[in-house]
Amino acid sequence: AQKVTQAQTEISVVEKEDVTLDCVYETRDTTYYLFWYKQPPSGELVFLIRRNSFDEQNEISGRYSWNFQKSTSSFNFTITASQVVDSAVYFCALSEASAAGNKLTFGGGTRVLVKP
Amino acid sequence: GAGVSQTPSNKVTEKGKYVELRCDPISGHTALYWYRQSLGQGPEFLIYFQGTGAADDSGLPNDRFFAVRPEGSVSTLKIQRTERGDSAVYLCASRDGNYNEQFFGPGTRLTVL
Repeated sequence: AQKVTQAQTEISVVEKEDVTLDCVYETRDTTYYLFWYKQPPSGELVFLIRRNSFDEQNEISGRYSWNFQKSTSSFNFTITASQVVDSAVYFCALSEASAAGNKLTFGGGTRVLVKP
Repeated sequence: GAGVSQTPSNKVTEKGKYVELRCDPISGHTALYWYRQSLGQGPEFLIYFQGTGAADDSGLPNDRFFAVRPEGSVSTLKIQRTERGDSAVYLCASRDGNYNEQFFGPGTRLTVL
C-alpha cells in the first residue's frame, strides 16, 4: 500500500532563511505521481507541483525548488529566502497510476512558521 | 474561472442527526473526489466519482457515509446518524480528465456536538 511520510511536524525560521521540507514515500507501482500542496491559514489546499515517476529532473519555480530522488524515495521541497507569506502547512502527496482516478495519499503535513 | 465551491462552509449538528455537504466542481471537470481532514492531519481519501458513478468508494469509513453525483457535476456527501468522531473538515476536489492535478475547494467544517 502507498504511504507518505513527512517526518517534520513543524519548522520555524526567520524571514530570509531557507527551509527544506522532507518527504519520503512508499509505493509498489512503477508509475506514480508526487505532489506538493500548500494549506495557508485560510484552509484551502493550493496545488504547487506535480512530478511523474519517470522524470527525476529537479525543478525550480521562483523561490521554490524540488528535489526528486527515486533511489531514496524522496521528494523534498525547498523554499529559498523565506517570507512571512510562506507560513502555512505543506503537504506532500502520492498517487499511483494503478489506482482508480489517481486518488491522493497525503503525508501528515509540515507546518512552516516564518517569523519577521 | 470559478474554482471548486463547497457549502456550507461550517456545519454544526447534534449527535445522531443527518447532514448533507455539497460540492460544486470546476465546470467541465469529470473527476470529483471527497477527502476528510481531521485536526492536525493530512486529508484522507473518501470517495472518487468519474462522471455520475462512484468509481472508488473504498475510503468511506462505514455505511453511514454515502455520496451521490446524479448529473455528473454537483456532488453531495451524506452522513447519517452523525457521531462526534465525524467532526472534521470535508474537502472536495475536482480534476480535468486530461491532467493529474486535483483542485480543492475551501472545505466544509463539520462539528458534531
